[in-house]
Formats: sequence, C-alpha cells, structure tokens
Amino acid sequence: EDKVVQSPLSLVVHEGDTVTLNCSYEVTNFRSLLWYKQEKKAPTFLFMLTSSGIEKKSGRLSSILDKKELFSILNITATQTGDSAVYLCQVAGANSKLTFGKGITLSVRP
Amino acid sequence: GAGVSQTPSNKVTEKGKYVELRCDPISGHTALYWYRQSLGQGPEFLIYFQGTGAADDSGLPNDRFFAVRPEGSVSTLKIQRTERGDSAVYLCASSTDRENIQYFGAGTRLSVL
Repeated sequence: EDKVVQSPLSLVVHEGDTVTLNCSYEVTNFRSLLWYKQEKKAPTFLFMLTSSGIEKKSGRLSSILDKKELFSILNITATQTGDSAVYLCQVAGANSKLTFGKGITLSVRP
Repeated sequence: GAGVSQTPSNKVTEKGKYVELRCDPISGHTALYWYRQSLGQGPEFLIYFQGTGAADDSGLPNDRFFAVRPEGSVSTLKIQRTERGDSAVYLCASSTDRENIQYFGAGTRLSVL
C-alpha cells in the first residue's frame, strides 16, 4: 500500500520565521509529487516535482525532491500570517494512483 | 465556469437517507476526481473519471457509494443509506488529465445525524 507521511503534523511560528515542511513517501513506481495549500476548503496547487535535486521556487516558497531518499521539503521564508494553512503533499504512483498525506497545519503568529 | 463548482456547500441529512452531491468541473477538463476529507486528515481518494467512464473506483469504501458522469462533464456522487461515519467534506477536483495539476472545488460538508 502506498504511504505518504508528512511532518511535523503542526507547528506554530512567528512572522518572519523560516519553516521547513517534510513529506516522505513509499509508493510503487513513483511518478510525481505535488504540494498544495489548503486554507479553508479547496486545496490550491503550489508545486509539482518529478526530478530529483531541481528546486522549484515561487516567491518566498520553494520545494525540492530527493528520489533516492524518498522525500520532499517545502520551505517558506519570511513567513506571514497569510501563510497560515494546511499544507498537503500528494504523490502519484503506479497507474497514476494518487495518495495524500495527512497535511501539516502551519500557524503564523503576528 | 472559472473554477470547479460543488453543490450544495452544506448538506445535513438523517441516518439512512440518500444524498447526491454535485460537481461541475472546469470546462474542457477530462479528468475528474472525488475525495473525502475527515477532520485532521488529508483528502482520501474515492473515484476518478476520464471522460464519461470511471477509470478507477478503487477508493469507494463500499457499495453504498456510487458516482456518475454521464456526459463527461458534471458528476454526481451518490450515497445510499447514509451512516454517521459518512460525515466529512467531499471534495471534487478536475484536471486536463490524470498526471496534471488538480483544481479543487470548495467541497460539500456532509453531516449525517
């Protein structure tokens, strides 16, 4: 059975801090890993990663994949209160089977 | 429409009743997914449509759950004989194909009393 484990499950930081969110996986025939941000109900897309070692960047957010050690990290620098959300990791495996982790709840305090 | 639309946004029903949840995907998206999300959990895959056919229904928990997409656009998730354990947010997403970015609707919060 495919597994996606995110850590920590929750964290609280202050504005301006840098955070690192982790996603490790065990899937058959890995195809891609996606990060989403879920603020109220609808998850919104952040990054799609398919190749090891290539950093994807969007503003203060960046992400990288390690296919040898089977994990990805999502970094957020200079956090703002608007970054408070649940961050979801999703992995596509064999036959494009899609599995989400439980999510990481990030709270950014002013 | 501009995004994925799900109706109703909230549904309260009694144990044993039948419910239908509707998803209207982004125009032109051939792939459509249903997920169920319980409090504190990530979305749990239920079913995936490519066009009109259910290409993967391995996530449906039991035969009380059924979904259709008769014209390859709007989809309806149907739950028979609802149970309290069915209470959750049901999310729908669409994409251009299975390996691409998914665009999610705001979900339907189902409460079974």
